[in-house]
Amino acid sequence: KNQVEQSPQSLIILEGKNCTLQCNYTVSPFSNLRWYKQDTGRGPVSLTIMTFSENTKSNGRYTATLDADTKQSSLHITASQLSDSASYICVVSAWGGKLIFGQGTELSVKP
Amino acid sequence: SAVISQKPSRDICQRGTSLTIQCQVDSQVTMMFWYRQQPGQSLTLIATANQGSEATYESGFVIDKFPISRPNLTFSTLTVSNMSPEDSSIYLCSVEGTSGRGVGYNEQFFGPGTRLTVL
Repeated sequence: KNQVEQSPQSLIILEGKNCTLQCNYTVSPFSNLRWYKQDTGRGPVSLTIMTFSENTKSNGRYTATLDADTKQSSLHITASQLSDSASYICVVSAWGGKLIFGQGTELSVKP
Repeated sequence: SAVISQKPSRDICQRGTSLTIQCQVDSQVTMMFWYRQQPGQSLTLIATANQGSEATYESGFVIDKFPISRPNLTFSTLTVSNMSPEDSSIYLCSVEGTSGRGVGYNEQFFGPGTRLTVL
């Protein structure tokens, strides 16, 4: 069964600190993996997209890694800001275009 | 990229009534997608809407409950019919578009969502 699992479910960190969010997937055949940021009351916005041949992809303070062998991905946020408070969703695309969504990690950055 | 707007942004409705959600895209797209996000849950695809043909519904979703219209390449509506409190969710419209990141695959863009509360 195609599944995407994220951990932790929620996370609270202090402003300026770094954090890492995890994503494990069992999706086959794999096409690409995406990380989205969803602010409260808004739709998800894409942060990174990686194919199986890409190990890392950065977007500003966001760096995603992908290990296609172990089927794991992580999203590292550097020097967190209050505006980073949001839900971060890992989405895996199977060949044919079907998207499988993780349940998200709720990140709260405190001053 | 694609800019997507939805109306209404939120609504509170009574049990047994229906609500139609509108989705407008700033460019022509072949496929539009409707998702539901229940409280604390991930996004679930309801249906895919192609212009000029019947929408394709995912398992667990039926046309009588979620009729969809797709009159042109920039607009779609989703109706939530005969609502119950279990329909309280965020409903999101989405399209595929060029990533713009220099990669060869499409990216999914989402509207801001419609937050529905059914009493």
